[in-house]
Amino acid sequence: SAVISQKPSRDICQRGTSLTIQCQVDSQVTMMFWYRQQPGQSLTLIATANQGSEATYESGFVIDKFPISRPNLTFSTLTVSNMSPEDSSIYLCSVEGLAGGPGTGELFFGEGSRLTVL
Amino acid sequence: AQRVTQPEKLLSVFKGAPVELKCNYSYSGSPELFWYVQYSRQRLQLLLRHISRESIKGFTADLNKGETSFHLKKPFAQEEDSAMYYCALSGLGTGNQFYFGTGTSLTVIP
Repeated sequence: SAVISQKPSRDICQRGTSLTIQCQVDSQVTMMFWYRQQPGQSLTLIATANQGSEATYESGFVIDKFPISRPNLTFSTLTVSNMSPEDSSIYLCSVEGLAGGPGTGELFFGEGSRLTVL
Repeated sequence: AQRVTQPEKLLSVFKGAPVELKCNYSYSGSPELFWYVQYSRQRLQLLLRHISRESIKGFTADLNKGETSFHLKKPFAQEEDSAMYYCALSGLGTGNQFYFGTGTSLTVIP
């Protein structure tokens, strides 16, 4: 299994500002994912963070709004840019598998970052 | 289109009663189905996956390809089962996107 630490755990932000969420994993992992969980809705994949290359974004999400960094195999950041109240959500970091080895087909999640945009 | 449907947002049962959380899916390939659970103040975690064919905490789920369902069942609910349950789908193997349902909040009444 993997232990994932996310911070901040929660924040209240002003409209128009940006916030960066950090995700640290205790082991090297090939794939890191960023999900959004809006109230009453399912978890929606924002993007896959790839080490050494640009993130792969899902339909409806763009790099300018959600820039992602993946400087190494244990760390990633997600920035929510120019925030509006519609961005109020829980953002989850998730990993699957270990670098250089077979994946488990199981996702491990961080505790989530609850953002409230006023 | 790939989709996971959990028709019940809220489900309440009495302690000791059977519980069934419904999950239906649509997927064009060979899916792997999962149930994830989130207890109060804890992170989302895997409960069980259909490939393992295990019973975890008394829960079982059978993949019914004919009905495209993967319902989660437990014969006797316990108070500690109260949690949010998410059905999820992925393609077989690794590196595939996971699709999640909207979740069912289970409350077990003492």
